[in-house]
Amino acid sequence: QSALTQPASVSGSPGQSITISCTGTSSDVGIYNLVSWYQQHPGKAPKFMIYEANKRPAGVSDRFSGSKSGNTASLTISGLQAEDEADYYCCSYAGSGMVVFGGGTKLTVL
Amino acid sequence: EVQLVESGGGLVKPGESLRLSCEASEVTFGSYSMNWIRQAPGKGLEWVSCISSDSRSTYYANSVKGRFTISRDNAKNSLFLQMNSLRAEDTAVYYCAREPTGVAYDIWGQGTMVTVSP
Repeated sequence: QSALTQPASVSGSPGQSITISCTGTSSDVGIYNLVSWYQQHPGKAPKFMIYEANKRPAGVSDRFSGSKSGNTASLTISGLQAEDEADYYCCSYAGSGMVVFGGGTKLTVL
Repeated sequence: EVQLVESGGGLVKPGESLRLSCEASEVTFGSYSMNWIRQAPGKGLEWVSCISSDSRSTYYANSVKGRFTISRDNAKNSLFLQMNSLRAEDTAVYYCAREPTGVAYDIWGQGTMVTVSP
């Protein structure tokens, strides 16, 4: 039950696009489409952003999109805004009822 | 708007027990699987446990298996986490989260802090 691998930090300027990767294995991300993404601002509870790798819940901006290829899932944020600055976590089903999170990525909007 | 409110956190010594609760504001609570997810100070999220809507299935992270027990009372719209044999590494904010579909946690509580220290 090892954590998924995310870059510790990414940054971008307002208006730009950034992508956060989430690398797992053939036992989790690679075999299941059950990948979700969460945004967390300091001192707040996580917010649900993406599910089933590329589906966006109602109310989440279409600037946020998800994808998956092989053992790696990705979250792309387009048209970067100051309020997007936060920590982002990926999550995947790992079989037998187990779930694994990524270590988190701190997004800085320059 | 659906709300989840956790309670029961606090300061305990290693080896002691604590019971967390999570109360939902919605009557459809019993239709969803529910989860506990924790976050150690300054660290990332860690999935802890899941219980199916009818309580027939429960799952635990290896780090808490045998020490923690998840349960629910659908009549009272409540979720629980009984934590025994607590260790320093269990120190974290504990969130309850609703799971409407596989590994999709759409509603989170505000969290309750558990500190395990001598």
